[in-house]
Amino acid sequence: TQLLEQSPQFLSIQEGENLTVYCNSSSVFSSLQWYRQEPGEGPVLLVTVVTGGEVKKLKRLTFQFGDARKDSSLHITAAQPGDTGLYLCAGASNFGNEKLTFGTGTRLTIIP
Amino acid sequence: SAVISQKPSRDICQRGTSLTIQCQVDSQVTMMFWYRQQPGQSLTLIATANQGSEATYESGFVIDKFPISRPNLTFSTLTVSNMSPEDSSIYLCSARRSSTSGTDTQYFGPGTRLTVL
Repeated sequence: TQLLEQSPQFLSIQEGENLTVYCNSSSVFSSLQWYRQEPGEGPVLLVTVVTGGEVKKLKRLTFQFGDARKDSSLHITAAQPGDTGLYLCAGASNFGNEKLTFGTGTRLTIIP
Repeated sequence: SAVISQKPSRDICQRGTSLTIQCQVDSQVTMMFWYRQQPGQSLTLIATANQGSEATYESGFVIDKFPISRPNLTFSTLTVSNMSPEDSSIYLCSARRSSTSGTDTQYFGPGTRLTVL
């Protein structure tokens, strides 16, 4: 069974601070996706990473896929209250044919 | 991106009754899924909705409890049968689309918040 552990589980920081969320597994994934979910809504896709070592930036968010494609990180610079939400990583071993394995989730709260 | 709508958005139901949730995608997709989520927690896959054939259920979920239909490439339903308070949860429809770059992308509907009394 593939497991994706996210850390921290909960994070509450002041506006303007930086933070990193980690997504770790002992399994290799062919691709990994990051989602953000706000209360009352479904998860919204932020990014997909597919190459070991790949780094993608989305404004103040930086996503990295581990060299061995077993882990990923999400770094937020100068966090804003709008970044508040549940962050989920999700990995696929063979994305065309297999279901996603979702991480345990990180609930982020940015305090104004 | 894919736009996914679900109906109803929320419902409060009595124990022993059944509720059918509808999921509509704005364009054809390769795969559709149904998930369950407790507020603030991660997602649990219930089943993969297969077009033209029976759904593929995950461990712990059975067809008699969660019958699923997928009559075409853009629509699916999930029924929660003979409900009990333990079925209270958020039910999410999801769809996967193939891209021209070869990287598939999976999208989610807004969810249906179910409360069983």
